[in-house]
Amino acid sequence: QQQVRQSPQSLTVWEGGTTVLTCSYEDSTFNYFPWYQQFPGEGPALLISILSVSDKKEDGRFTTFFNKREKKLSLHIIDSQPGDSATYFCAAANSGTYQRFGTGTKLQVVP
Amino acid sequence: ETAVFQTPNYHVTQVGNEVSFNCKQTLGHDTMYWYKQDSKKLLKIMFSYNNKQLIVNETVPRRFSPQSSDKAHLNLRIKSVEPEDSAVYLCASSPRGDTLYFGAGTRLSVL
Repeated sequence: QQQVRQSPQSLTVWEGGTTVLTCSYEDSTFNYFPWYQQFPGEGPALLISILSVSDKKEDGRFTTFFNKREKKLSLHIIDSQPGDSATYFCAAANSGTYQRFGTGTKLQVVP
Repeated sequence: ETAVFQTPNYHVTQVGNEVSFNCKQTLGHDTMYWYKQDSKKLLKIMFSYNNKQLIVNETVPRRFSPQSSDKAHLNLRIKSVEPEDSAVYLCASSPRGDTLYFGAGTRLSVL
């Protein structure tokens, strides 16, 4: 049972373009939503995160949006760079419990 | 800068053998985790340890067992490996159950 759904499964974007990844979840008690970036041969690393009390968080070229009513979140990457090519995971958790991960999106940024 | 160390990086073994993977974190975190990442990149929680106490144990086969000597170490033992155990095993730590800090993973191949 996949509690966190993520789309698309893979995505190719031109350098300089905007990347948009989306996730949805079912458990309304989730209140913490991190996004992780994973390069081949490495473990995932935190990219950006948002709490359910917020609807937007920005960090440089990365912005995550949260819609509590629709139980959806998204990650926007502006001015996408070849170095952004990686697999991206959204995750969800509530206080004191482990994180459930989305199915991942493999992003390729083409020069 | 790596702060969660996993050994070995890669292990090849045959069905029925016993294997053990090591994980050490130098971040002083109270909680450590083992995640399994399959060939489709899906991340599934296996175990969570908080101050040497097992607090999450998903429905993993009984041949898997976590072993902890102190809060900085969490090892994983597989008593008799099966072909479906081929995967990347990721160790992570967390200060408060929010941000996960992952190691680079141990890739297991079962022949």
